[in-house]
Amino acid sequence: GAVVSQHPSRVICKSGTSVKIECRSLDFQATTMFWYRQFPKQSLMLMATSNEGSKATYEQGVEKDKFLINHASLTLSTLTVTSAHPEDSSFYICSASTGRNQPQHFGDGTRLSIL
Amino acid sequence: QKEVEQNSGPLSVPEGAIASLNCTYSDRGSQSFFWYRQYSGKSPELIMFIYSNGDKEDGRFTAQLNKASQYVSLLIRDSQPSDSATYLCAVTDTDKLIFGTGTRLQVFP
Repeated sequence: GAVVSQHPSRVICKSGTSVKIECRSLDFQATTMFWYRQFPKQSLMLMATSNEGSKATYEQGVEKDKFLINHASLTLSTLTVTSAHPEDSSFYICSASTGRNQPQHFGDGTRLSIL
Repeated sequence: QKEVEQNSGPLSVPEGAIASLNCTYSDRGSQSFFWYRQYSGKSPELIMFIYSNGDKEDGRFTAQLNKASQYVSLLIRDSQPSDSATYLCAVTDTDKLIFGTGTRLQVFP
């Protein structure tokens, strides 16, 4: 149980492209979904928290116009990296939770490379 | 600033030994505590969670929580080379998790 599907697993694209990443909870309804970024050999960095039907809450320093998050249903959240540049290259990981104080279950991550 | 602290390691143990991973947290009001395993290049995987003081066992893993000392630990019995990974301690902060930087465990044959 508690499976989170994330795709695509890898994206390579040119600078200026917008990239959409999907995150789905397959066997449970996720009250809250989270988006993280992780650079090589560094810790997970929370980018934003999203609740179904509400605007996402972004962490300090994360540009909300750059990283668009949509949480359309209890099983689907998307992250769109708009006009991506090489410095946006990173490992993006989503997670989903059924509520406060509950575990977060992670997707397999998306490795984004901007040329 | 709420913090979760872990020794970065690496912690090296021989195959078959007990690996002991430790974590301290700053927010006395934290209610839920998690251990995740992350292999290099992969996303974190939940291996244990604990809510109450004491021990919780699941197979070769035991999580220990001491709220008075603000201390969480993870014991891995009969360590295997496949247990070699980074272990992340996480503590709840409202609906978010605060992660430690992780302890790298190396199990050598």
